[in-house]
Order: sequence, then C-alpha cells, then structure tokens
Amino acid sequence: QKEVEQDPGPLSVPEGAIVSLNCTYSNSAFQYFMWYRQYSRKGPELLMYTYSSGNKEDGRFTAQVDKSSKYISLFIRDSQPSDSATYLCAMSYSSASKIIFGSGTRLSIRP
Amino acid sequence: NAGVTQTPKFQVLKTGQSMTLQCAQDMNHNSMYWYRQDPGMGLRLIYYSASEGTTDKGEVPNGYNVSRLNKREFSLRLESAAPSQTSVYFCASSAGQGANQPQHFGDGTRLSIL
Repeated sequence: QKEVEQDPGPLSVPEGAIVSLNCTYSNSAFQYFMWYRQYSRKGPELLMYTYSSGNKEDGRFTAQVDKSSKYISLFIRDSQPSDSATYLCAMSYSSASKIIFGSGTRLSIRP
Repeated sequence: NAGVTQTPKFQVLKTGQSMTLQCAQDMNHNSMYWYRQDPGMGLRLIYYSASEGTTDKGEVPNGYNVSRLNKREFSLRLESAAPSQTSVYFCASSAGQGANQPQHFGDGTRLSIL
C-alpha cells in the first residue's frame, strides 16, 4: 500500500464550478501537508502549505487537513481554464524530513 | 529570473550508454534534489544534497550517482542506462531541507532508454 493515495482522474468540470481534490494517507505521523500544481511539460510549483490540522485559504484556493480521517483536500472556487493542470499532494513527517508525493490528479476546466 | 535550469530537455539513449543530467539554480539555495516522475508513481526522490559538500540517497538511488559540484550545481549521472530508467527527471532546490522550505522545480529532462 502506498503511503499517499491520490485518484489520478482525469477530472473534468465546467468553468466556474467548485473543484474538490483529495488525498488519503496511511501514516498518522505526517505533520506537514502541501499541494503542488504542475502544468503540462513543466515542473511542479508549490500552491499551498499547511501544518497539522485545519484549513488554510489563499484567494480561490482552500486547503483542508483532517488528521483523524487521514484525509486532505484542496478546494478551488470559481474554477478557471487556467487551473487546468495536474495537482499533487505531498506530505512530510517533520520539518526536516523528506517529502512524500502523491501521484497527482489531472484536472481539466471546460470553458 | 531563471530559477532552476535543467539540461538537456530531451535525450534518447541506448541501453548501456552513460550520461549526465545537469542542474543549476540561481536562488542561492542550500538544498538540491533529484526526482524521477513516472505515470501512476508520482515523484520519487533519487538523491538529495542538504548543503554544499553533502549528498544522500533517497527512495530510488540504484543505478544513479550524483555530484554537488558547488552551491549552484547538482548533477545526476547514469553510468549504464537501462530501459527501466526511462522517465522524466526533475531537479529541485530549496533554501533549507524540510517541508517548511518550498521546493522550486526545473522543467524536467525527458529521458528515453531504448
């Protein structure tokens, strides 16, 4: 079983919809949670970073961590075609340990 | 604002050939990383360098070697390429090691081993 599981998609939604992207994980020791966005033929870029449980909002993006369920989510409000990309969740045990990445969910926003 | 630059962008090799992937960053970062990305597998860490002069193995180091040439440059070498090493290779850098230091990625090297 992988430490971090992510539905590969593809997920296709109309412009303006609310998008929900999710990851589950098996090790309760994870403390740091990240979301990276990767456009086609490009490297990943950090989108959101949270520590422990709770929500974090940045513009149209909200990251949510539920440690009791070992489940993290990324919500995108008012989705735009420019949000079409692969979204990778990532997590780490501590501030000094290496990052474990999910395999990514491919998202397509239809105009 | 180049960030992380990887060369070459594409390469085709024959089984048994060797090659070196180059990576350079201009952000004065201490830590650098090499990942490979395969369909359904996500990013897997090959080697990393927490600071200049140090290198450590990641999750999938077999068949690879690295050199941290100086603070800016971190190269990845395949001594005897195998078809299983066909992948997209990403170099990344961060100010320090750890989850609270965002990693900045290059645009990848697409490597095909025949």
